[in-house]
Amino acid sequence: EAAVTQSPRNKVAVTGGKVTLSCNQTNNHNNMYWYRQDTGHGLRLIHYSYGAGSTEKGDIPDGYKASRPSQENFSLILELATPSQTSVYFCASGDARTGDTEVFFGKGTRLTVV
Amino acid sequence: AQSVTQPDARVTVSEGASLQLRCKYSYFGTPYLFWYVQYPRQGLQLLLKYYPGDPVVQGVNGFEAEFSKSNSSFHLRKASVHWSDWAVYFCAVPAYQGGRALIFGTGTTVSVSP
Repeated sequence: EAAVTQSPRNKVAVTGGKVTLSCNQTNNHNNMYWYRQDTGHGLRLIHYSYGAGSTEKGDIPDGYKASRPSQENFSLILELATPSQTSVYFCASGDARTGDTEVFFGKGTRLTVV
Repeated sequence: AQSVTQPDARVTVSEGASLQLRCKYSYFGTPYLFWYVQYPRQGLQLLLKYYPGDPVVQGVNGFEAEFSKSNSSFHLRKASVHWSDWAVYFCAVPAYQGGRALIFGTGTTVSVSP
């Protein structure tokens, strides 16, 4: 069974603080993704990665950085958190080189910025 | 550009009744298509996926979906809804850009009444 683990599951951060969301996958997938989920918007892609050392901007990258130090790990970094970044964040992995492969999701991180 | 539209934000159905969730996509050519389900406080799980071929696809838990190229649609159906089907359902299509991230619709929340 494919496994994507996110930590922490819940986080409260202060405005202007730094937040790091972590993701680990044991699927040996090349691609990893960070999405955020907001009511009325569905899931929107923030950053993604093709493999260790690579990060690419998704559709809404502003205010976020990403880091992929290894095949298994992909982090999302908020250098200066703002209340507008309050959301549920999902990490996912996939081997979607051909477009026909499903993507596996973690259980999400609920981030509240106060 | 590719996109997915789920016109119904919320659907309420009686237990035992049939269910149809609508999905319209925009994509150059014939895409692979996916339906995901999100149970409360969980990540997204694959319900079914379509490969070009037979337009009717069977998924888990009695769900099926029908692809229509002429209508650019991929509607999800279930003949008899169970209370455990209370969830949010997302339709998705691969993005054109490299990495093949999925583009999601805004989701349809299904509520089941006794």
